[in-house]
This record gives sequence, structure tokens and C-alpha cells, in this order.
Amino acid sequence: QVQLVQSGAEVKKPGASVKVSCKASGYTFTGYYMHWVRQAPGQGLEWMGWINPNSGVTNYAQKFQGWVTMTRDTSITTVYMALTRLRSDDTAVYYCAGSTRIAAPFDVWGQGTMVTVSS
Amino acid sequence: SYVLTQPPSVSVAPGQTARITCGGNNIGSKSVHWYQQKPGQAPVVVVYDDSDRPSGIPERFSGSNSGNTATLTISRVEAGDEADYYCQVWDNNSDHPGVFGTGTKVTVL
Repeated sequence: QVQLVQSGAEVKKPGASVKVSCKASGYTFTGYYMHWVRQAPGQGLEWMGWINPNSGVTNYAQKFQGWVTMTRDTSITTVYMALTRLRSDDTAVYYCAGSTRIAAPFDVWGQGTMVTVSS
Repeated sequence: SYVLTQPPSVSVAPGQTARITCGGNNIGSKSVHWYQQKPGQAPVVVVYDDSDRPSGIPERFSGSNSGNTATLTISRVEAGDEADYYCQVWDNNSDHPGVFGTGTKVTVL
């Protein structure tokens, strides 16, 4: 079945960087746009951007431009989200989520990766 | 950027109907998706493109969208429907095109 499996929890210090992975299986890797969505503790969902796994083209929310990078490795059907210059308010669960086209619903989600930023 | 406003909470008795609104400027011109999120779990889409249901989602979940308000309706509410619900749209004219609503906690009394 269609499945997204993310890497494990991370604890980082302020100013550090983090890279979260999301491995896809059960479908054609290039058939889904991959989005990243984060959720701070007790807060709502925040869309960060997407990557087209076929072309590598990305589109980031303006808020994250310059400090988020989304990449993919088609040989291992994995997408990555890297965030630099971490701050305490970046503490959140980060989800990858797939959609069949850019504006389609996110109909497959990873299990989430908790990133904690603390000194 | 585009803003979607939801009531923070909705309470409903079992068997009754819950209606969750999602307000946005001319939201009726956009396609609205709705997600259910239970504690500790990833969201699940329950309605997409205003009123379509993914396979496996009960018919009790329905959606509508017109003017400045989209609505998710849960009929014959069950205890298992207790969760957070988020609306979501794409606003291609925004610097933040993927927009989620503020979220609504549905409590089953």
C-alpha cells in the first residue's frame, strides 16, 4: 500500500540545522508531489512547500525561503527537508504529505518527525 | 496571505449534527479540502474538492462551499468523530499558497 515513512526524532541546539527524510513506497515515486507541513505543539498545521520528485522543482512558502531546502533521491524514493538556523519556535512535528497534483488534497501522510530545538 | 478562519471548538451530542465553518474571502471560488486529526496521529482527508469523499470515509461526512464560507457537516455524530478538523485551500496568488484553517476541536458530549 502507499506509505510514507519518516526518519526519527531529532533534538537540536539553536542555530543548528536538521534534515528530515521521507521514504515513499507502494506507488510510483514520481506520481505524487511531496509537501512538507509542520505543527508546533498544541498548534495548527502550517504548509511549508512542495517538491516535484520527477523534476526536483520546488516551491516554498515565502516565510521559509532562504532557510528550507527540499530535495529528493529518486534512486531510493526518498525526499528530504532541511531547515537551517533553527530557533526554539521551530520545535514542531514535521510531516511529509503527498498529493497527485499541486492543489489536490494531501491523501497520504508520513507518521511525522518531532524536531525539538533547545539549548 | 490568504486567511481561513474556523471556530476554535464545536460541541455536539452523539447522534446529532456537527457543522464546522471555514471562512475566507470569496472561498466559494476555491476548492476546499477538510482533514481530521486525532491526537498523536497524522491528518486524514475526509472531504476534498468541497464535497467529495475519499473511499473509506463514511457518508456522514459532507461538505459545501459558497460565498465566503465553506462548511463541513458531520451527521449522526459518533464518539470516534472527536478530533481536530482543518480546512485547506490553494491560493495561487499568495506568497503562501498552501493555506490551512485555524482548526476546530470537535467534542462529542
